[in-house]
Order: sequence, then structure tokens, then C-alpha cells
Amino acid sequence: NAGVTQTPKFQVLKTGQSMTLQCAQDMNHNSMYWYRQDPGMGLRLIYYSASEGTTDKGEVPNGYNVSRLNKREFSLRLESAAPSQTSVYFCASSPTGDNQPQHFGDGTRLSIL
Amino acid sequence: QQQVKQSPQSLIVQKGGISIINCAYENTAFDYFPWYQQFPGKGPALLIAIRPDVSEKKEGRFTISFNKSAKQFSLHIMDSQPGDSATYFCAASIRGSYIPTFGRGTSLIVHP
Repeated sequence: NAGVTQTPKFQVLKTGQSMTLQCAQDMNHNSMYWYRQDPGMGLRLIYYSASEGTTDKGEVPNGYNVSRLNKREFSLRLESAAPSQTSVYFCASSPTGDNQPQHFGDGTRLSIL
Repeated sequence: QQQVKQSPQSLIVQKGGISIINCAYENTAFDYFPWYQQFPGKGPALLIAIRPDVSEKKEGRFTISFNKSAKQFSLHIMDSQPGDSATYFCAASIRGSYIPTFGRGTSLIVHP
């Protein structure tokens, strides 16, 4: 099983450029999430999608937009990248039901110069 | 506001020793407490989880201890091995919620 697949794995952008991070899961999960991981800050939720057709803001949504394209795919867009958005981005998914664990992809390492 | 406080931030243990990572929470509505393990270059993966109706759960060398009255839970890694070197995250979530609250993580290094 591929699980959660993120593309690209690495990316370098210049300030002001735009970019879309892609995420797809093959586990038929209803819920999907985008996190960023920074040293000493743990995992911070950017946006999530409880089910196909819905999206909601997380803890740190500013500067990002998301699209739940279908049940499998959930993309994260940076419209005008800033150096503060340099981070490792993780997509995750989880099934419906009480207290289900999250399944993470291997991340996209994004540097903004 | 940090709802799940994790300590220590980093931990160095000798091979064969016991690694202990602690987490404390405030929200008494939390009722599911998973631990995730993350190796360098990889995403976090579920390691072990506990619900508050039990005080301890053991899977191999990994044990979660849960103290409901103190609102604390901890991960114990017995006979720590260099292959256990990773970042560990505790988390907590509320029944019916699909949004966990994560601790900030502990970087564990096990020296050979």
C-alpha cells in the first residue's frame, strides 16, 4: 500500500512565488490534514478537511489555501511564498470514527529564499 | 496556549537504558492518547495509544503509563536501542473529534 503520497519531496522557491503541494491517499479515508513542522514547535495544523467537500482552518492558516479535489486528494497552495513559510509540510489522513490515528506522508521540504 | 506539554525536548540514553518521555494535559475531555514515532526524513507513524480506562498499556519494549488524576501520561522505552533514535510526539484528542492536539516532540538519541 502506498498510504499517503506527497509531491514534491523537496522544493526551493523565491519570495513571492506561488506553489501547490500535492497529497493523495489510497486508504479511502474521509478526513485529511495539512501540518507544518518547525524545530521546537512540533506539528501545527494548517488546514483540515473532515470529508470531501469541506475544509476548515487550523491553527496557522494565514498565507495558505487548500482544495479537497476529491476523496483521495487534498492540496495546499502558497499564493505568495514568504521566508517564514520555510518548513517541512506533512499531509495526513484518518478514517471516520472516534479517535482514529492519523496516517502521515513523508513530507515536503520547502525552502523559501 | 499549549494544551499538551511534552518533556524533555531532547533525551540522550545509552543502549540498554530506559527512555522516559512525559506529557501533561489540562483538558479533561481528552480521552484518547496516542504516541507517534518519527524517523529522520519520514512522517510520524502511530507507535502505541491508550484510553483513560486503563492505567498502562504495553507493546513489546514500549509502555504507556497513564495517570488520570494527575492528567499525565508517559512513554517508557525499555532496553533502548540505537534504532529507537527518533522524534516522539504525544497527542491527545476528544471523543468525536478528528483533530488531535500534539505535544512539541522529544528528540531521542540512543548511543551504542
